[in-house]
Amino acid sequence: KQEVTQIPAALSVPEGENLVLNCSFTDSAIYNLQWFRQDPGKGLTSLLLIQSSQREQTSGRLNASLDKSSGRSTLYIAASQPGDSATYLCAALPHDYKLSFGAGTTVTVRA
Amino acid sequence: NAGVTQTPKFQVLKTGQSMTLQCAQDMNHEYMSWYRQDPGMGLRLIHYSVGAGITDQGEVPNGYNVSRSTTEDFPLRLLSAAPSQTSVYFCASSSLGTTTEAFFGQGTRLTVV
Repeated sequence: KQEVTQIPAALSVPEGENLVLNCSFTDSAIYNLQWFRQDPGKGLTSLLLIQSSQREQTSGRLNASLDKSSGRSTLYIAASQPGDSATYLCAALPHDYKLSFGAGTTVTVRA
Repeated sequence: NAGVTQTPKFQVLKTGQSMTLQCAQDMNHEYMSWYRQDPGMGLRLIHYSVGAGITDQGEVPNGYNVSRSTTEDFPLRLLSAAPSQTSVYFCASSSLGTTTEAFFGQGTRLTVV
C-alpha cells in the first residue's frame, strides 16, 4: 500500500521568504504526483502535476521536483506572500489509480 | 466548464437517517472515487469505480454504498448515518492512462448529530 508523508506538518515564515515543502512516498511505481492547495473550509485546487517521466514542473512562482528512485517530491514557492497561506497536499497516483494523499503541510506567511 | 460537481455543499443529519451525496462529472472520465477528509487523517478512499457498472471498496467503505449506472454520475449513499461519519466528503474523477490528472469537486460538509 502506498504511504505518503509530508514534512513538516506546519510552517510559518515571514513574507518574502522561499518555501520548501517535502513529500515522500513508499512505492515508486506511480503514474504521477500531484500537488494541491486547500484553503480552510474549501476544496482542493490542483497546483502542479508531475508525470513519472518528468523531473520537475513549473508554474509561476511554484516549482515541483520529482525523484522517483528516492520516493521524494519537493514543492518550492518563491518569494512567499500572505496569500500563499494554506494547506498544501501532495498525492501519488499508483498504477491502480487509488490516489494516496499525505496529511498536508499547513503554511502561514506572516506579513 | 463544470468539471466535477458535488451536491449538497452542506448537510446535517440525525443519527440513523440515510442520504445520498451526489457527484457528477462532464469530462467523460472512466475513473471516479469518493474520499473523506478528517482532521489529522488526510484524505481516505471510501469507494471507487473504473467505469459504468463497476465499483469497488477503498480503505474505509463501511457504512457507505455506491453505484455507477452512467459514466457521468457516482452517488455515495449513507445507509444509516452515525456521528463517526461526520466529515468532509470529496468526489474525484480522472481518465485511465499513464498521463492522467485527478479533478476534485468542492466537497460536501456533513454533520451527523
